[in-house]
Amino acid sequence: EVQLVESGGGLSQPGGSLRLSCAASGFTVSSNYLSWVRQAPGKGLEWVSIIYTGGSTYYADSVKGRVTISRDNSKNTLFLQMNSLRAEDTAVYYCARNSGSYPYYMDVWGEGTTVTVSS
Amino acid sequence: DIQMTQSPSSLSASVGDRVTITCRASQSISTYLNWYQQKPGKAPKLLIYAASSLQGGVPSRFSGSGSGSDFTLTITSLQLEDFATYYCQQGYSTPTCTFGQGTKLEVK
Repeated sequence: EVQLVESGGGLSQPGGSLRLSCAASGFTVSSNYLSWVRQAPGKGLEWVSIIYTGGSTYYADSVKGRVTISRDNSKNTLFLQMNSLRAEDTAVYYCARNSGSYPYYMDVWGEGTTVTVSS
Repeated sequence: DIQMTQSPSSLSASVGDRVTITCRASQSISTYLNWYQQKPGKAPKLLIYAASSLQGGVPSRFSGSGSGSDFTLTITSLQLEDFATYYCQQGYSTPTCTFGQGTKLEVK
């Protein structure tokens, strides 16, 4: 079964760090484009970051310089390292498999992990 | 950046109704438009990709149309399980993508 399972969310103080993980099964992370998408409480979906099969990485302006997307092919796992956390980073974070070609849809989603940034 | 605007933001309907949700892009995005359904506390689910292609396993009462900058999602004969929030997403401006603000479909 094709599946994504996130972990690593929790409570952090402003300025703190968290590392989110997304374990894939049923497909290989190295052969797929993978994205992180977040949803603040009561708000809509916001794209955060994507990693291409070749390793290129891209970020939304709202997180650029504070967040790093990476993957461990041996563990078939995607990561999101989040530093200098702000209150506005509070959200449910979803990892998703991206189609990797136009129209760049996301067809497999994890159940999400919750990040809360508060003092 | 490409902005995506959905209308209406919320919609009340009854089981058996036909509903249409509109998504407008701030510039032409060809047919690189995808639709998702999200239920409370759950992850989004892909319904339609490339404006009009139905994702596998999605009921045929869902359909999409449009090209350029104007798109629609239509649900014919609403079922109870269809009451949810719907998002459009443009896949044109790769690597970034943007979502519409969502349309909440509620029971009348």
